[in-house]
This record gives sequence, structure tokens and C-alpha cells, in this order.
Amino acid sequence: EVQLVESGGGLVQPGGSLRLPCVASGFTLSSHWMSWVRQAPGGGLEWVAQTKFDGSEEYYVGSVKGRFTISRDNAKNSLYLQMNGLRVEDTAVYYCVRQSTMTRSAFDVWGRGTVVTVSS
Amino acid sequence: DIQMTQSPSSLSASVGDRVTITCRASQSVGSYLHWYQQKPGKAPNLLIYAASTLQDGVPSRFSGSGSGTDFTLTISSLEPEDFATYYCQQGSGVTFGGGTKVEIK
Repeated sequence: EVQLVESGGGLVQPGGSLRLPCVASGFTLSSHWMSWVRQAPGGGLEWVAQTKFDGSEEYYVGSVKGRFTISRDNAKNSLYLQMNGLRVEDTAVYYCVRQSTMTRSAFDVWGRGTVVTVSS
Repeated sequence: DIQMTQSPSSLSASVGDRVTITCRASQSVGSYLHWYQQKPGKAPNLLIYAASTLQDGVPSRFSGSGSGTDFTLTISSLEPEDFATYYCQQGSGVTFGGGTKVEIK
């Protein structure tokens, strides 16, 4: 079964850090671009970051540039999101997402998400 | 950044109804437009990619059309399991529409 499982979420104070791991199974991680997408409470979806299949390219939404870093370890079937300088507005469910090989910009497999709460 | 505008933001419909949701891009995205369904407490699920191609396993009552700036998602005959929120997403850069909540009338 194709699956993505996120972990690492929790409550953190503004200015703090968290690292979100995502473990992939049932497919070859190195064949796919991967992304993180978040959803604020009661809100819509926002793409956060993506990485090329070999990790050689990374892209970020403007609001997280310089604070978040996406990385991957294909040998460990894992994707990561390092989040530093967290702000209240980063509070959201964070989804690990696989990008389709049919059209790279479509997200065809989603994890269940991990909840990040930034609050004092 | 390309802005995506969905309409309506919500609608009420009955089982068996034909439902149409529209998505407009602030500039052309070609056919790089995808549709997702999200149920409460669950992750989104890809329904249609490249404007009109049905993702594997998605029922044929769902269809998509459009290109450039104007796109449509149609559910030909609403089933009870279709009550959910639907999002469009442009792939020329990555932004989502604000969502359309389909509720039971």
C-alpha cells in the first residue's frame, strides 16, 4: 500500500523550532518530487515547500523562505521539514505530499497530517 | 503570484443533483489545473489532474473541463459520499483556490 506517515508535530512557542519527518512506503521515493502542504484551522490549503527527486532543487512559499528547510533521505524513504523561527501564523496541519509522475504539479498521495501549534 | 478564485464558496444540493463548481485563475495556467476533494478531518484526495483527466479510482460522475483561466468541476449526479469541500489548484507555481463546500440541502 502506498503510504505517507508524518510525525513530529506539537505545541511550540513563537520563535521555536520543530522538525517534521515523513516516512514513505509502498513506492520508490526517489522517483518523485515531494512537497509539504499545510492547512490552518478552519482554513484552506497552502503549499509550503517542494524538493526534486534527488534533493538537488528546493522551492518555498514566500512566507517561509529563510525559516523552513525541506530535505529528503531517499535511502531512508524519508522526507523532512525543518521549521525554525516559528510564528503563530504557522499553526496548521502539515501534510507530506507526493507529486504525481503524470503531471508533476498534481499531488496524488497525501499523508494524514501532523498538527503544529505555535502559541505562548 | 497567480490567484485562484472558486465559486461558489458553498452550495446546498440534494442527492441526484448535477453540481458545477468553477475556478478562475488570475492569469493563464494552460491545463495545469487540478481538483481535490476533502472530507472533514481527512487529507485531500486528488480527483482530476490536468484539467480533465480522472485520477485512477475516481468515479466517472466527476468530470473537469477548461483551459487557460477558466475551469469547471462537474458532478453529474450527487451521491451521499460527495458531500465535502472541493479545491482547485494551479500547477504553474502552486496555489489553491479557497474551496467550495458542498452541503446537503
